[in-house]
Amino acid sequence: AQSVTQPDIHITVSEGASLELRCNYSYGATPYLFWYVQSPGQGLQLLLKYFSGDTLVQGIKGFEAEFKRSQSSFNLRKPSVHWSDAAEYFCAVGAFGAAGNKLTFGGGTRVLVKP
Amino acid sequence: DTGVSQDPRHKITKRGQNVTFRCDPISEHNRLYWYRQTLGQGPEFLTYFQNEAQLEKSRLLSDRFSAERPKGSFSTLEIQRTEQGDSAMYLCASSLDGSSSGNTIYFGEGSWLTVV
Repeated sequence: AQSVTQPDIHITVSEGASLELRCNYSYGATPYLFWYVQSPGQGLQLLLKYFSGDTLVQGIKGFEAEFKRSQSSFNLRKPSVHWSDAAEYFCAVGAFGAAGNKLTFGGGTRVLVKP
Repeated sequence: DTGVSQDPRHKITKRGQNVTFRCDPISEHNRLYWYRQTLGQGPEFLTYFQNEAQLEKSRLLSDRFSAERPKGSFSTLEIQRTEQGDSAMYLCASSLDGSSSGNTIYFGEGSWLTVV
């Protein structure tokens, strides 16, 4: 069965500083990987996804993520954080087809942005 | 193109009552999913439909929970005899099988349930 670990429960970053959120996954086949963002009381918004190809993927809101198969990681980065980036971020691995059709999420990382 | 729509957004109910949530997926999306999210946790998969067929159910989906998608469009999630442990946000999501992005799942805003 697939699993996702987000080692950092909370991260505090100053506005304008860089941000990196860690994600490690466990999955027996080629993974489909996603990052979602959730503002308080809201649903999930897709930031970016990796299915295949270039291991550095660009997403919305200036985010990017890098897939590293050797490390089973899919870390999310942003060069310069804005106050509006304060939210909770979820990494997910997708199992599709014969393995079922569902996403397995990590526990999330809450990002606080200091002015 | 409207997103995934859920109704109601918030529901407070007394323990033992039944509640029903509705989800309208993105138009023409043939896959529909239900997830549950408790405070401080990531969403957990509950069930999945391909058109009107319910193809997978999680062990989290006890016999008090039932989901339907009768015409392959909107879906309902009913919880019977609610318990305080059912308090959570219920998220609906959809995707389009067969497209180049068929494995991209889009979520709604969620339906908050509080059982008192």
